[in-house]
Amino acid sequence: DVKVTQSSRYLVKRTGEKVFLECVQDMDHENMFWYRQDPGLGLRLIYFSYDVKMKEKGDIPEGYSVSREKKERFSLILESASTNQTSMYLCASSPTGSRLETDTQYFGPGTRLTVL
Amino acid sequence: QKEVEQDPGPLSVPEGAIVSLNCTYSNSAFQYFMWYRQYSRKGPELLMYTYSSGNKEDGRFTAQVDKSSKYISLFIRDSQPSDSATYLCATQPYNFNKFYFGSGTKLNVKP
Repeated sequence: DVKVTQSSRYLVKRTGEKVFLECVQDMDHENMFWYRQDPGLGLRLIYFSYDVKMKEKGDIPEGYSVSREKKERFSLILESASTNQTSMYLCASSPTGSRLETDTQYFGPGTRLTVL
Repeated sequence: QKEVEQDPGPLSVPEGAIVSLNCTYSNSAFQYFMWYRQYSRKGPELLMYTYSSGNKEDGRFTAQVDKSSKYISLFIRDSQPSDSATYLCATQPYNFNKFYFGSGTKLNVKP
């Protein structure tokens, strides 16, 4: 079974703090993703990475950065947290391959971040 | 216009009912279609995956894709209270790693 783990389930931070969200997958997947999920807005892609040290902006990258130094780990960084970044953050990974049944995303349990 | 549109619900049905969940998409380049189920305070989990028009069945669940009208559906037969969750549709273009999600439909199955 694919396992995607996130470092924290719940996190409370103060405005202006630097926040690190960690994600680790154990299936040797090439692609990793960070989303935020808000009521009524669904899943919105922040950043994704298709290889080590590679990253691509998603739909809402402002206020975020990412780091992928190792294949299994993808970190999301909030340089200076703001209250409008209070949200559920979901990490996902997916393989790149010819088997269509496996070319889909597997999600972690999510981190509910509250910025006060 | 969003790439994938989904009615947010909530949808409330009695136990045993047939449930129909629907999405529309705008880009004919989308080739792969998925349904995810998300329980409260959990991450989404893959429920169904298909890449062709027509029906795909898995137990009580049937995924239907109509590429001509850009319409995807998930049917749940004999719905159970344990099916109460948010259901997200998702699509992916051919040979491209980005996924596009609907906003999710919240389903409540009453005992």
